[in-house]
Amino acid sequence: DVKVTQSSRYLVKRTGEKVFLECVQDMDHENMFWYRQDPGLGLRLIYFSYDVKMKEKGDIPEGYSVSREKKERFSLILESASTNQTSMYLCASSLVGGANYGYTFGSGTRLTVV
Amino acid sequence: DQQVKQNSPSLSVQEGRISILNCDYTNSMFDYFLWYKKYPAEGPTFLISISSIKDKNEDGRFTVFLNKSAKHLSLHIVPSQPGDSAVYFCAEGSNYKLTFGKGTLLTVNP
Repeated sequence: DVKVTQSSRYLVKRTGEKVFLECVQDMDHENMFWYRQDPGLGLRLIYFSYDVKMKEKGDIPEGYSVSREKKERFSLILESASTNQTSMYLCASSLVGGANYGYTFGSGTRLTVV
Repeated sequence: DQQVKQNSPSLSVQEGRISILNCDYTNSMFDYFLWYKKYPAEGPTFLISISSIKDKNEDGRFTVFLNKSAKHLSLHIVPSQPGDSAVYFCAEGSNYKLTFGKGTLLTVNP
């Protein structure tokens, strides 16, 4: 069964900490994405990557960075965590030219910054 | 400005009846619209999509209608089942990227 795996389901971090959220996919997908989901705001794109070592800003990149050293792994980095980054973080992957833009999502990481 | 709008935060229907979820959009240059379904504590899962050259797509109990002149699409679920209770997101696809709406919480009452 193909999947996108996010390393943690729940995380609690302190304000100012550097936080790493890891995402691994086993489908050989070229595209990978990081979204955050907040009540009343839906899913908002933070960063995405079309290929290894490539990254593009999404709609809300401030306070975040990403790393894609290998095709299967896409990491989201919170350089200095703040309370307004408390959220559900969702990783997704898709094929370039894939039919219907079919994203496969991970189960999400619920991050709480205290 | 929000490109994809789901103006109803929630919808409640009786089991066996029709559920209609609506979505409005502003960008005419899209390839696909998609609907995703999300249960709490899980990632969204793909439900159904429609390309820009069609006005209807059907898959079992789920049908999506696209009205390009009105820039409006809707998802019909017939008949609705309690297991359909979830948050539904519409999403616009262009340049291999999806832009999501804010979601509609559907509750199907037994």
